[in-house]
Amino acid sequence: AQTVTQSQPEMSVQEAETVTLSCTYDTSESDYYLFWYKQPPSRQMILVIRQEAYKQQNATENRFSVNFQKAAKSFSLKISDSQLGDAAMYFCAYRSRLWVRLTFGEGTQLTVNP
Amino acid sequence: SQTIHQWPATLVQPVGSPLSLECTVEGTSNPNLYWYRQAAGRGLQLLFYSVGIGQISSEVPQNLSASRPQDRQFILSSKKLLLSDSGFYLCAWSVAETQYFGPGTRLLVL
Repeated sequence: AQTVTQSQPEMSVQEAETVTLSCTYDTSESDYYLFWYKQPPSRQMILVIRQEAYKQQNATENRFSVNFQKAAKSFSLKISDSQLGDAAMYFCAYRSRLWVRLTFGEGTQLTVNP
Repeated sequence: SQTIHQWPATLVQPVGSPLSLECTVEGTSNPNLYWYRQAAGRGLQLLFYSVGIGQISSEVPQNLSASRPQDRQFILSSKKLLLSDSGFYLCAWSVAETQYFGPGTRLLVL
């Protein structure tokens, strides 16, 4: 079974600085998708970024980018120029190409200090 | 564009009472639909998913059931709530690999 591990329960960053959130996963499959979701205090899950495993190029969405290391099964999220609105719980998630279920990590609570 | 609605937003129910949470999606056809539960400060647990009308897959045996009476409607139910059913319930939809979530329902069972 696939598992997703986020080893940092909490992280903090100064406004305008850069922070990296870690995620590792375990799978025997070669074709899959990886996601980062953000959950602000409202608790609605918001998609931040998506990576397809067969693509070597790291995904980027404005200030958010990933470092996808397929061999190491690592999928970290980098937030540049952190803003107060980035404060939230961040979840890493895995989805096999074959199955519809998403497997989530336990989350990293990000605090942004002014 | 697609939107997803959940109601109610908050619900306080006594133990042993029935439950019905509703989720509807607009702006898409034949979506896959999902129900998740999230305990406070934890990750999401998939409860049910549906790939079509009347087709329900259960991920975790429990006190809850799900139904999909229409293409874009997904209902989570219980005949008798338990204290352990308290939590935050999220509905999600997808037509490809990415799931998009609704605003959620906070359920407190007393």
